[in-house]
Amino acid sequence: GENVEQHPSTLSVQEGDSAVIKCTYSDSASNYFPWYKQELGKRPQLIIDIRSNVGEKKDQRIAVTLNKTAKHFSLHITETQPEDSAVYFCAATNDYKLSFGAGTTVTVRA
Amino acid sequence: DTGVSQNPRHKITKRGQNVTFRCDPISEHNRLYWYRQTLGQGPEFLTYFQNEAQLEKSRLLSDRFSAERPKGSFSTLEIQRTEQGDSAMYLCASSRDGGNTIYFGEGSWLTVV
Repeated sequence: GENVEQHPSTLSVQEGDSAVIKCTYSDSASNYFPWYKQELGKRPQLIIDIRSNVGEKKDQRIAVTLNKTAKHFSLHITETQPEDSAVYFCAATNDYKLSFGAGTTVTVRA
Repeated sequence: DTGVSQNPRHKITKRGQNVTFRCDPISEHNRLYWYRQTLGQGPEFLTYFQNEAQLEKSRLLSDRFSAERPKGSFSTLEIQRTEQGDSAMYLCASSRDGGNTIYFGEGSWLTVV
C-alpha cells in the first residue's frame, strides 16, 4: 500500500515569514494529493489539492508543488498569520483511500 | 449545515461495553468512509462504502468493529467489547462518485476507561 512520510513534525515561524512542509510517497500510481488543515478538536479541512497532471497549484497565500519523478510534494504558505497555526496533513491516493502523513504542527509567532 | 454530520461527538464508556457512532454524509455523496485518528497521528482508513455496499475494510477493523450503511445514506460504526486501545477519534467522510475530494465530519471522540 501507499506510504506517506511528512517533514518536519513541528514548525515554528515568525508572523509574515513563509512555511514549507514536505511529503514523500511510495506508490507511483498515486495521482491525487490533498492537504488538510486541522485545528485542535476540529475536523480536517481541505485547503488545497493537486492532481498528477499538474506540477504546481496556487490559491492566494497557499501553494502546492508536485514532483512525480522524485515522488514528493510540498505545501508552501507565504505571509503567515496567527490563524495559520494548526496541524497540517498531506495525503496521497490513486483511488478512494487516502494515506496520510503523520502531520506537521505549525506555530506562527506574533 | 450541509456538511458531514456525526454523533455523538464525545463518548466515554467502560471497557467491555458496546458503542455506536452515526454518520450522515453530504447529501448526494455516494461514497462514505470511516477513518480513525489517534493523538499525534494522521487519520487511518478503516472502511469504505459505495452506496450501501461495503467495498473495503482495513485490517485495522477487527471483528469487534462493524459498519453499515443500510439504505445508502447514513452509516453506523459499532464497536463491541471496547478496549482501551479503541480510544481515538472516529472520523466519517464522504465524496461524490468519481471524485477524489473527501470531506470530513467533526469526528466522534471515544474514550474507553
